[in-house]
Amino acid sequence: TQLLEQSPQFLSIQEGENLTVYCNSSSVFSSLQWYRQEPGEGPVLLVTVVTGGEVKKLKRLTFQFGDARKDSSLHITAAQPGDTGLYLCAGAGETSYDKVIFGPGTSLSVIP
Amino acid sequence: EAGVVQSPRYKIIEKKQPVAFWCNPISGHNTLYWYLQNLGQGPELLIRYENEEAVDDSQLPKDRFSAERLKGVDSTLKIQPAELGDSAVYLCASSLGPGKAYEQYFGPGTRLTVT
Repeated sequence: TQLLEQSPQFLSIQEGENLTVYCNSSSVFSSLQWYRQEPGEGPVLLVTVVTGGEVKKLKRLTFQFGDARKDSSLHITAAQPGDTGLYLCAGAGETSYDKVIFGPGTSLSVIP
Repeated sequence: EAGVVQSPRYKIIEKKQPVAFWCNPISGHNTLYWYLQNLGQGPELLIRYENEEAVDDSQLPKDRFSAERLKGVDSTLKIQPAELGDSAVYLCASSLGPGKAYEQYFGPGTRLTVT
């Protein structure tokens, strides 16, 4: 059974600080996605990474896929209150690529 | 382009009562998903449809949950009878189809409270 773990579970930081959250698994994924979910809303797709070692940037967010395609990280530079939310990683299986599983999420709170 | 639409947004029912949720996916999206999400947790798949066919319902508690996707567009998820432990957010998502399962678009969810 494929499982995704995320750390930390909760993170509270001051506006302007940098942070990194992690997504780890013992399984290999064909692709990995990061979503952000705000209270009362559904998750919104931020990025998809496909190639081992791939790095993608989305404004102040930097996403990296591990070389072995088992883990990923999300780094936020100069966090803003608008970054507050639940960050979810999701992985598509290497052999059953249509089966996507979600991690438990990291709840981020950015204090003004 | 309209996003995934879900209704109702909130529902409060007493235990043992039935409840139904409705989802309208993004136009042209052949794959539809129903997820259950508990507070502070990630979504857990209940059922996945490719057009009108349920291709993965292994996590759907079939003794009380049922779903349908008539004509391969809208979908309804039903619980009968509801239990206290069913209180959660029920999310619907859609994607273009096989090979694009990783690009899912979610609706706002239905928050169910069972008292």
